[in-house]
Amino acid sequence: EAGVVQSPRYKIIEKKQPVAFWCNPISGHNTLYWYLQNLGQGPELLIRYENEEAVDDSQLPKDRFSAERLKGVDSTLKIQPAELGDSAVYLCASSLGRVTEAFFGQGTRLTVV
Amino acid sequence: GNSVTQMEGPVTLSEEAFLTINCTYTATGYPSLFWYVQYPGEGLQLLLKATKADDKGSNKGFEATYRKETTSFHLEKGSVQVSDSAVYFCALPSGGSNYKLTFGKGTLLTVNP
Repeated sequence: EAGVVQSPRYKIIEKKQPVAFWCNPISGHNTLYWYLQNLGQGPELLIRYENEEAVDDSQLPKDRFSAERLKGVDSTLKIQPAELGDSAVYLCASSLGRVTEAFFGQGTRLTVV
Repeated sequence: GNSVTQMEGPVTLSEEAFLTINCTYTATGYPSLFWYVQYPGEGLQLLLKATKADDKGSNKGFEATYRKETTSFHLEKGSVQVSDSAVYFCALPSGGSNYKLTFGKGTLLTVNP
């Protein structure tokens, strides 16, 4: 069974440019999470989806970040415009509802220069 | 809300040495507890978990016991290998209805041959 797939693995962009990350969860998983992992820190939740509905986006900086999960499967996280402080690893995870059974993707490492 | 405090590293050991990484938690009730591992350049992988007090989770030679008396979930391994070099995160569910995972800051382990 394929795991959570994220792309790209690495991205380098100049500040003020837009960037997008894509996540394909495990088949059948209705809950999808985006986490932000700063260097030397543990991951922190940005947004959680139940099917196509964003049920918690309280930690998402909405002035520059946006996310969508069309048809309740794949998800895209976008930053526009990117700032130097956005350099981090963006992790996607999915589960069958309960976070205690969440599986993580390999992450996208973003570098903003 | 629920939180974890994890021993900060880095930790450097020689091969076959004994490993302990401390983790204590603050929680309402007795939520499941987790250890995740992140190998260089990779995403998070679930290493082990314990779902109730006095449970022992184990995997790949690693063990952790859920101790409610000391609110701890320390990770141990009797004989580490070079391949165990990674960052280890303690985690537990948090938020209303425990819908997300809250992680410790991570402990970098380096095992030298």
